[in-house]
Amino acid sequence: DVVMTQSPLSLPVALGQPASISCRSSQSLVHGGGDTYLNWFQQRPGQSPRRLIYKVSNRDSGVPDRFSGSGSGTDFTLKISRVEAEDVGVYYCMQGTHLPWTFGQGTKVEIK
Amino acid sequence: EVQLVESGGGLVQPGGSLRLSCAASGFTFTSYWMTWVRQAPGKGLEWVANIDSDGTEKYYVDSLKGQFTISRDNAKNALFLQINSLRAEDTAVYYCARAAAPGTVDYWGQGTLVTVSS
Repeated sequence: DVVMTQSPLSLPVALGQPASISCRSSQSLVHGGGDTYLNWFQQRPGQSPRRLIYKVSNRDSGVPDRFSGSGSGTDFTLKISRVEAEDVGVYYCMQGTHLPWTFGQGTKVEIK
Repeated sequence: EVQLVESGGGLVQPGGSLRLSCAASGFTFTSYWMTWVRQAPGKGLEWVANIDSDGTEKYYVDSLKGQFTISRDNAKNALFLQINSLRAEDTAVYYCARAAAPGTVDYWGQGTLVTVSS
């Protein structure tokens, strides 16, 4: 199975400051067809997960443009340009290239 | 508006069985693969199973094969997860989600809690 490793696992950030979460996979996430199925999800306290980013860098409709995804191969990053109070929660990367789909451990973002 | 509403969770004794349901609305159910993901209390997300749009292809995480069965009824816009031989470690919130394209899910339900305890 592909192991997804996120860092850090806890990220205290001051309001208005940037935040960055790393996600590394144990093998390449490039699919045979050329796409890379790396997703980012946000889970606010007490809520279901919500997709933010798919195929590495495609932002979902309604997701603020302060969220951005980047990376390739085995190394990926989610960035929040200026953290707002509503960004508090746990962020997960997930690969959908290889079965079984696997998630990272989650990164808890909190306000410092 | 896409809606996914899970039901069927509850308290069950070890060794028991449950059938979870997910009612889908707001989209053409027959056009989409569907997924189950679970989350143990205070823990991360774990993919459980996928099913293709007509119910013929099914994929499971290896550790749950034989214990979990995913199915769907396209006439009723419903997704199911049959869970047998329940163990304490199966205690989790079970989410159904829509697989919008290869390798991703876009909409999630609110989840249904399964608690396995005597």
